[in-house]
Amino acid sequence: DIVMAQSPDSLAVSLGERATINCKSSQSLLNRSNKKNCLAWYQQKPGQPPRLLIYWASTRESGVPDRFSGSGSGTDFTLTISSLQAEDVAVYYCHQYYDTARTFGQGTKVEIK
Amino acid sequence: QVQLVQSGAEVRKPGASVKLSCETSGYTFTNYAIHWVRQAPGQRLQWMGWINTGNGDTKYSQNFQDRVTITRDTSARTAYMELGSLRSEDTAIYHCARDLVAGILDYWGQGTLVTVSS
Repeated sequence: DIVMAQSPDSLAVSLGERATINCKSSQSLLNRSNKKNCLAWYQQKPGQPPRLLIYWASTRESGVPDRFSGSGSGTDFTLTISSLQAEDVAVYYCHQYYDTARTFGQGTKVEIK
Repeated sequence: QVQLVQSGAEVRKPGASVKLSCETSGYTFTNYAIHWVRQAPGQRLQWMGWINTGNGDTKYSQNFQDRVTITRDTSARTAYMELGSLRSEDTAIYHCARDLVAGILDYWGQGTLVTVSS
């Protein structure tokens, strides 16, 4: 299975500051047929199911604030929250759908400093 | 609006099986696959398998290959996941999720807590 490793495991950021989460996959997630990276990001708040934020590594899901952005290609990806808001406190997961055996990162907990 | 509503919490003894449901609404059921993902306490999300709701084809994670069965009832717009030979490590919240395309999970059920305890 493709192993997804996120860093850091947790981070504390001041309100209005930038938060950056990294995700590294054990093999390339680039789909050769459509030239897109099969990588999604989810946000999960306590007691709630995951919420899709980003897919194809950089496409923002409808309704997701534009302070959330995704970047990267191949094996290295980043989720950036440009100006952290109180409602962004959550655990964030990366997810690869390149391989039929889907896998997730271990999660990154984002808190307010 | 799109909704996935899962069945209620379950408690089982080790060795038993459990069958969970995921009732959908707000879209054409057979146009989107359904995946099952579980989340054990303190663990990462773990993909279990998916079903093509149109033709019933399934694909399972090798981690659950021999114990999991995913089915669907198109008339009821509902997907089901049955997990057998339960052990304490199967205690988790089980989610169903709709596949937008290619495995992108855009809508999730609220989750069902399964507790396995003697």
